Amino acid sequence: EAQVTQNPRYLITVTGKKLTVTCSQNMNHEYMSWYRQDPGLGLRQIYYSMNVEVTDKGDVPEGYKVSRKEKRNFPLILESPSPNQTSLYFCASSLREGFNEQFFGPGTRLTVL
Amino acid sequence: AQTVTQSQPEMSVQEAETVTLSCTYDTSESNYYLFWYKQPPSRQMILVIRQEAYKQQNATENRFSVNFQKAAKSFSLKISDSQLGDTAMYFCAFWPTSGSRLTFGEGTQLTVNP
Repeated sequence: EAQVTQNPRYLITVTGKKLTVTCSQNMNHEYMSWYRQDPGLGLRQIYYSMNVEVTDKGDVPEGYKVSRKEKRNFPLILESPSPNQTSLYFCASSLREGFNEQFFGPGTRLTVL
Repeated sequence: AQTVTQSQPEMSVQEAETVTLSCTYDTSESNYYLFWYKQPPSRQMILVIRQEAYKQQNATENRFSVNFQKAAKSFSLKISDSQLGDTAMYFCAFWPTSGSRLTFGEGTQLTVNP
């Protein structure tokens, strides 16, 4: 089944404890991105990647890191999480950028205490 | 920078009726793509419909259609014969052909009442 998977789906952590949210797609998509969703703000892009080893900042990259060593994986790293990073996170992928449909993962609910 | 505005945080409609969700955007680009995504209570994001700005004809997907007014920078979504399963948060999104990023609006929570 074609899909984007994210793990974990739920995570409660404490300030400063490094964490990684994994994202994987099995559709051979070139474009991948991370979004955070907050009430009243919609989805805001954190980072995106147009292909392996090519990543760039989105609208809200502060406090986050990403890497794209393989085409299928695009992990999101929070080196020192803070409470303002409590949010719902989505990974998405598409064949390429532009008019192509974005396929979203199921979301990761992160709470930073 | 592009901005997308959805001025209706919440809307409700009776089953089988028609509802229109508004979206406006601000851009200096001449060519771009526009999308509507829905997010039901399951949280899964699903593409509803999309439109290429250079195409004059409004996109249609079954009960979903758009009213694209390029000069007014408006991209509204019309849902006909509303069904209970249409209850969801709806997001309008914008992608300039010159760029590599998708910008979303704030979302409109639509509730379909029986």
